[in-house]
Amino acid sequence: DGGITQSPKYLFRKEGQNVTLSCEQNLNHDAMYWYRQDPGQGLRLIYYSQIVNDFQKGDIAEGYSVSREKKESFPLTVTSAQKNPTAFYLCASSQPHSATNEKLFFGSGTQLSVL
Amino acid sequence: GENVEQHPSTLSVQEGDSAVIKCTYSDSASNYFPWYKQELGKRPQLIIDIRSNVGEKKDQRIAVTLNKTAKHFSLHITETQPEDSAVYFCAVSDSWGKLQFGAGTQVVVTP
Repeated sequence: DGGITQSPKYLFRKEGQNVTLSCEQNLNHDAMYWYRQDPGQGLRLIYYSQIVNDFQKGDIAEGYSVSREKKESFPLTVTSAQKNPTAFYLCASSQPHSATNEKLFFGSGTQLSVL
Repeated sequence: GENVEQHPSTLSVQEGDSAVIKCTYSDSASNYFPWYKQELGKRPQLIIDIRSNVGEKKDQRIAVTLNKTAKHFSLHITETQPEDSAVYFCAVSDSWGKLQFGAGTQVVVTP
């Protein structure tokens, strides 16, 4: 599984705890994204970043935070303010204004559960 | 913003039969329409996509048709096989190029 790597595969969060999900890509893509997947609801966009040191809120950003200090890394922190964090989290990347343009390349996901 | 609706939510087909999944969207400016397949516990994989200047695209047993006037597009899988069992998502690009996804269709191919 090259290209885009997420870790850990499984993560457990205690009440009041912040947890950070890792996402690293070696595709040299400018854009990176975090999606949340719940059963029967498809993929919902949490945050996205078009370039290093810049990011924007997606449709469900409340209770989450991100950083983009390096092109290849886009970690997601699930804060204690996120009251229903149990979900499958997918990181993705793309290269706008290229032959692949909007095509998303996904990581293998992190399953987050609350203890 | 873009609103994407996908139907049906579940689809059971006999092996060898065809499967059709339909998506509708709201933004007439959208111009890119991909389909992703996700097997249980795995990452979504792009299986086919179409742009607004094309009405139909085919890749072996998979085809996508687009009706821009009616703002809907469909995925067609012919001669279904057990390995086609998965969740399928349609998506539509918004004005920036971000993808909005449908809720998904669980396809089950029975022998």
